[in-house]
Amino acid sequence: NAGVTQTPKFQVLKTGQSMTLQCAQDMNHEYMSWYRQDPGMGLRLIHYSVGAGITDQGEVPNGYNVSRSTTEDFPLRLLSAAPSQTSVYFCASSSGQGSVGNEQFFGPGTRLTVL
Amino acid sequence: AQSVAQPEDQVNVAEGNPLTVKCTYSVSGNPYLFWYVQYPNRGLQFLLKYITGDNLVKGSYGFEAEFNKSQTSFHLKKPSALVSDSALYFCAVRRFGAGNTPLVFGKGTRLSVIA
Repeated sequence: NAGVTQTPKFQVLKTGQSMTLQCAQDMNHEYMSWYRQDPGMGLRLIHYSVGAGITDQGEVPNGYNVSRSTTEDFPLRLLSAAPSQTSVYFCASSSGQGSVGNEQFFGPGTRLTVL
Repeated sequence: AQSVAQPEDQVNVAEGNPLTVKCTYSVSGNPYLFWYVQYPNRGLQFLLKYITGDNLVKGSYGFEAEFNKSQTSFHLKKPSALVSDSALYFCAVRRFGAGNTPLVFGKGTRLSVIA
């Protein structure tokens, strides 16, 4: 199993550009989520999905879109990049319903810089 | 609402000494509690979790954590620290039986083990 994979590893954008961060998992996990990590802020949830076709907003959703057309993939779209979106982005997945307390598996991250 | 507090941004400990990384939580009802570790330029790795049962939970790399319901704490411990334990540690919580709700993370504690 490759686990959770993220591409690209690094990206530099100019203000106003759009892009998609890719996330895929090969563990047949129903639950997937996107976090951003900023110094001193910990991990903040952007969007999450409990299964194909179902997504919901997290703590900091503004400026980001997601879709979940398959179980495996959960891309994160930046519509019009802003310097405030400079961050490290992590995708995570877990199996089953949240009530069973399954741990999340994290990807290696995408480091995004917006100039 | 659920929340996690990690009161120390930084913990320094000498190699061979015991270490403790503190975590307190706030949740209505019973919690699921998790500890993750992040090494430089890597994603988060699961260390251990408390679901139910024995209050002392053992995890990877010799780490353990003690669930204390009266103090709403879940401190991470290790009897003898190694330099290789130096990393960023995150505590996370989800309310028991909450279904497909995301994990809520603390801001992280940086552990430095000095040789």
